[in-house]
Amino acid sequence: DGGITQSPKYLFRKEGQNVTLSCEQNLNHDAMYWYRQDPGQGLRLIYYSQIVNDFQKGDIAEGYSVSREKKESFPLTVTSAQKNPTAFYLCASTKENRGFEAFFGQGTRLTVV
Amino acid sequence: AQSVAQPEDQVNVAEGNPLTVKCTYSVSGNPYLFWYVQYPNRGLQFLLKYITGDNLVKGSYGFEAEFNKSQTSFHLKKPSALVSDSALYFCAVRDRYSSASKIIFGSGTRLSIRP
Repeated sequence: DGGITQSPKYLFRKEGQNVTLSCEQNLNHDAMYWYRQDPGQGLRLIYYSQIVNDFQKGDIAEGYSVSREKKESFPLTVTSAQKNPTAFYLCASTKENRGFEAFFGQGTRLTVV
Repeated sequence: AQSVAQPEDQVNVAEGNPLTVKCTYSVSGNPYLFWYVQYPNRGLQFLLKYITGDNLVKGSYGFEAEFNKSQTSFHLKKPSALVSDSALYFCAVRDRYSSASKIIFGSGTRLSIRP
């Protein structure tokens, strides 16, 4: 079955460490997105990518980095520069035609300990 | 710049009554509009979308939404609420013509249906 997979589901990180969240899709979608969700603040866009080897900053990119070396994969690295990384992270993908809806992964809950 | 506003943090409705979850948007051109639902600790699930044509669009689980261009609104509705509709609902907008292909979400509205 086609879908979008995020791993791991839960992740614990010590302060000062970088950590990478995985996002893989087998939907042949062109565009991929990373959102951060905090209680009461909805979804905020971190980074997005419309094609391979290209990505753009969203509204809250500071302290995060991404790569898009393959169409299927869009990993997100939370660096030590991110001051408040504890959150629920959601990955999504869409066909590039903007009339198509986004498909979401099940999310990764990151906790800094 | 694109933006979406969901003015109500929470909506409470009795089972069997009609429900409305409000959404207004701002884009420079014509929008694509979407509604999604989220259950606890899960990703978002697509409910419905407005692309073009009829202003009243029908979606999953008996939900519908009405696009109103003059009021820049896209309110989500259901004629008869179910307890199982209780969840977090997000409105989203995508600019039809902008070179940047961002999808922007509202802050979410928690829908609570009491038996």
